[in-house]
Amino acid sequence: GAVVSQHPSRVICKSGTSVKIECRSLDFQATTMFWYRQFPKQSLMLMATSNEGSKATYEQGVEKDKFLINHASLTLSTLTVTSAHPEDSSFYICRAGGTDTQYFGPGTRLTVL
Amino acid sequence: DQQVKQNSPSLSVQEGRISILNCDYTNSMFDYFLWYKKYPAEGPTFLISISSIKDKNEDGRFTVFLNKSAKHLSLHIVPSQPGDSAVYFCAASLLTGNQFYFGTGTSLTVIP
Repeated sequence: GAVVSQHPSRVICKSGTSVKIECRSLDFQATTMFWYRQFPKQSLMLMATSNEGSKATYEQGVEKDKFLINHASLTLSTLTVTSAHPEDSSFYICRAGGTDTQYFGPGTRLTVL
Repeated sequence: DQQVKQNSPSLSVQEGRISILNCDYTNSMFDYFLWYKKYPAEGPTFLISISSIKDKNEDGRFTVFLNKSAKHLSLHIVPSQPGDSAVYFCAASLLTGNQFYFGTGTSLTVIP
């Protein structure tokens, strides 16, 4: 069965609203969570890396005030897209664990109208 | 700057034949490589990996070959099956690090 879950799997929101995406590791403790986004026909781009209990490390070009990441426990990380705009529409995917952990979440399709 | 490249966006193969997906990288420090399979609207699923101390790793129908001097790796699927139709991503990282660098993916279609 799936070892990493994401919720919701699909969300449609109006421009200007905020959306929270949850990523849970179901049967292991994830000290590190990675958040990716994927545009159509493009590669998975790492947005940020978060370690449990500390602030996330954002990749260059990713606005930390827009994409809020919280990793409050060893099994849960959240990504909040604040004041979403149509250009934020994308497929957001989390990965839990480290180099030896190969499991991604199933992804969340965000559509901003 | 794309450090991992998959130059073929798509590939079609007849069922039963071999599928060969290619991947090139630019950073000679990468020492761990992975292949993922992805269906639409789903997260990537790990397929197979290889570390730089090896040049080949085999798992059932899937074999990954690594040519360090050419900074090139390939995934062979044999025999190809219609269920293999998906987008395949290669990724590279440092064994000591957590960050994966992904290619842009190759969409494989296996024709029955």
